Parts: sequence; structure tokens; C-alpha cells
Amino acid sequence: DIQMTQSPSSLSASVGDRVTIFCRASQGISSFLNWYQQKPGKAPKVLIYDASSLESGVPSRFSGSGSGTDFTLTISSLQPEDFATYYCQQSYNSPSFGQGTKVEIK
Amino acid sequence: EVQLVESGGGLVRPGRSLRLSCAVSGFTFDDYAMHWVRQAPGKGLEWVSGISWNGVSVDYADSVKGRFTISRDNAKNSLYLQMNSLRTEDTAFYYCAKDIGVAVAGTGGYIDYWGLGTLVTVSS
Repeated sequence: DIQMTQSPSSLSASVGDRVTIFCRASQGISSFLNWYQQKPGKAPKVLIYDASSLESGVPSRFSGSGSGTDFTLTISSLQPEDFATYYCQQSYNSPSFGQGTKVEIK
Repeated sequence: EVQLVESGGGLVRPGRSLRLSCAVSGFTFDDYAMHWVRQAPGKGLEWVSGISWNGVSVDYADSVKGRFTISRDNAKNSLYLQMNSLRTEDTAFYYCAKDIGVAVAGTGGYIDYWGLGTLVTVSS
């Protein structure tokens, strides 16, 4: 199975900061990489699919990049509603999630 | 409005079985692959199992392979997860989830709708 490793596991940031989260796959997954946001007590919500495509309705401050094994999620200017946990997920084969990155208020 | 409603969770002893169900509405069920994803309290997401639109292709996480069985009844707009030989580490919220595509993986799919989840607690 493909292992997904996110870094960092958590980070503290301020409103307005640029935030980058990394995700590495244990083998090449082309661009079959999705990013989800989850807030406490809520189901996850997809932000980015196919590594860099923005889901409809998601603010343009979210962007994704990468292919093969290394991927990034960037929030260009962190907003109060963005404090949450973020997960990468590969859909190349037997889907798997990263362990999550918790974005907290500094 | 798309709705996915899980049921069947509860408290069960280690080694016993449980069957989860997911009733869906608001979309053409047999046009999409479906998944079960779980989340232990305070922990991250773990994909458990997926099934293609027609039920022909199924896949499982290594952690549940040989113990869990996913199935679907397109006539009843329902998804199921039969869980046997349950272990304490299977304790989690189990979410029913809809894919945007027809296959479990390999075609650029992702999950666009999730249920609210049902809690499975495995404890003696």
C-alpha cells in the first residue's frame, strides 16, 4: 500500500500568514492527490483535487501543486475560518490519507 | 440535496460482528463508487474500503482485509459494511462517503459527500 506522510503534523500561524503543508507519497502517484479540510465535529471537505484543481466554491487563497511523490497545499493569506486539520489523500490505488496537519492560532 | 445516513453502530465485544448500513438519497446511486472511511476519536482519517459503481470492484485497507466486506444494493440505494472479528483498534466513527467517479481508485476520483458517521466501539 502507498504511505502518505504529511509535514508538519501541526503548526501555529497568524491571520494573514502564508501557510504551506507538505505531503509525500511512498511511491509515484502521478497527480492523483487530493486535499481535505476538517473542522472539529464536522465531516471533511475537499479543497483541491488532482493535485492542483480547486474544488468549486473553495476560496482562491487555497492552492495545490506537485506530481509524482511530492505535493504542497498553500494558503496564501490565512483567514480565521481556516484554522482546521488538513489531510492529503492519494487515489492512485487503494486510497490512503496522510496523518493530518493541524493549523492552530498563534 | 445529497444525503448519506449511516446506521448500525454500537458497542460490541472483541471478536464479534457488526453490520453497518448507509442509506443514500439526492443522487443517482449506481453512477458512483462509494467508500467507508473511519476516524478513531481524536485521530486522523483512515480509508477502510471502497466499491465501484456496479459492485464488481472492491478494495480494502490492509488493516481490515479478510475481516470486513463491503457491498451495495443499487436497487435499495444502500451501501453496507459487514465487520467480522472486530478488534479494539476498530473503534472509530465510520463514515459513508460518495466518490465523484465510478471507480475506487486510479481515475482521479475524490470524495465529494460524507455522511455524519456512526460510532463503533469495540470493548470487553
